[in-house]
Amino acid sequence: DIQMTQSPSSVSASVGDRVTITCRASQAISSWLAWYQQKPGKAPKLLIYVASNLQSGVPSRFSGSGSGTEFTLTISSLQPEDSATYYCQQANSFPLTFGGGTKVEIK
Amino acid sequence: EVQLLESGGGLVQPGGSLRLSCAASGFIFSTQDLSWVRQAPGKGLEWLSAISASSGRTYYADSVKGRFTISRDNSKNTLYLQMNSLRAGDTAIYYCAKDRGMSRITLFDYWGQGTLVTVSS
Repeated sequence: DIQMTQSPSSVSASVGDRVTITCRASQAISSWLAWYQQKPGKAPKLLIYVASNLQSGVPSRFSGSGSGTEFTLTISSLQPEDSATYYCQQANSFPLTFGGGTKVEIK
Repeated sequence: EVQLLESGGGLVQPGGSLRLSCAASGFIFSTQDLSWVRQAPGKGLEWLSAISASSGRTYYADSVKGRFTISRDNSKNTLYLQMNSLRAGDTAIYYCAKDRGMSRITLFDYWGQGTLVTVSS
């Protein structure tokens, strides 16, 4: 199975800050990675697919990059509504696996 | 508008069974692969099972293989998860999720609101 490791597990930043979350795969997965945002009590929401493609309706302050085993999700200017937990998911092969999550809090 | 509505969750004793349903609308159900994903209280996301559009292919996580069965009825636009031999560790919110439809890879563009399954005596 492909293990997905996210870091940091939590981050606290101010409105307007740039926030970067890293996701590492235990083996190469090309660009077959997705990022999701989950707010408390809600279902996850797709933000980024195939590592760097912005899902329709997602603000352009979100961006993704990477390939192989290392990927990043960047929020270029943190907004209050971005307070949430973010998960990466490898889409390369079954069993599908998610990272452990990164909780983003607003200072 | 795509909608996925799970039902069938509840309280069940260890060793018991439960069948979850996910009623879909707003897209051509018979052409889309679907999955079940769960989230234990305060924990992360765990993919459980996937089924192809035609039901020809199914996949399972090791944690549920042999205990859970995924199926679908394309005539009713409904996805199912039959859960047997339930354990306390199966306590979670169960989500159905729709594959975005990109060839060869599986990721999810729509999720249901989830249904809570509690396994306890």
